Amino acid sequence: AQSVTQLDSHVSVSEGTPVLLRCNYSSSYSPSLFWYVQHPNKGLQLLLKYTSAATLVKGINGFEAEFKKSETSFHLTKPSAHMSDAAEYFCVVTDKTSYDKVIFGPGTSLSVIP
Amino acid sequence: GAGVSQSPSNKVTEKGKDVELRCDPISGHTALYWYRQRLGQGLEFLIYFQGNSAPDKSGLPSDRFSAERTGESVSTLTIQRTQQEDSAVYLCASSLVSGATGDTQYFGPGTRLTVL
Repeated sequence: AQSVTQLDSHVSVSEGTPVLLRCNYSSSYSPSLFWYVQHPNKGLQLLLKYTSAATLVKGINGFEAEFKKSETSFHLTKPSAHMSDAAEYFCVVTDKTSYDKVIFGPGTSLSVIP
Repeated sequence: GAGVSQSPSNKVTEKGKDVELRCDPISGHTALYWYRQRLGQGLEFLIYFQGNSAPDKSGLPSDRFSAERTGESVSTLTIQRTQQEDSAVYLCASSLVSGATGDTQYFGPGTRLTVL
């Protein structure tokens, strides 16, 4: 069965410092992995996705994530946080070999301190 | 269309009433998903459509919940005899083919349901 763990429910960083949002997954097969962002009172937006091409995936707004199969991780990073990055971030896993439920992680709330 | 649309954007209803939520996916998208997001919580998968068939209904919380889809177009999520615990934002997403291929899901703005 698939599952997604986001290790931190809340992360707070200072503006201009690096961001690390952690995600670990469990999947029986070769997964597809996504990060979505949800700004307050706005819809979900795709940040980036991994579907078995390059293990380092670059997304929008300077975010990137690295797929590490040995660690079953897909952590989201950004070198320098901006105030506009404050939002809720969701890690998502799907099973590529056959349709299975799309599993969302519980989310990590990112606060950026000026 | 330009994106996934949902209606109504807000719905307030009394306990015990039935409600219908509507989702218009992006034109040409064969896969459609419904999720529920309770206040302060993550997304909870409800149901998935491929075309107008629903291969996975296991996320529906009870038999009060049902959904249908007309062809590869509009979907409605119906909640009968609403309860206060049904209060949540109901999100719809569509993708070109299906989650199995890693296709990106595009989300609608959601319907905020409040059951008094």
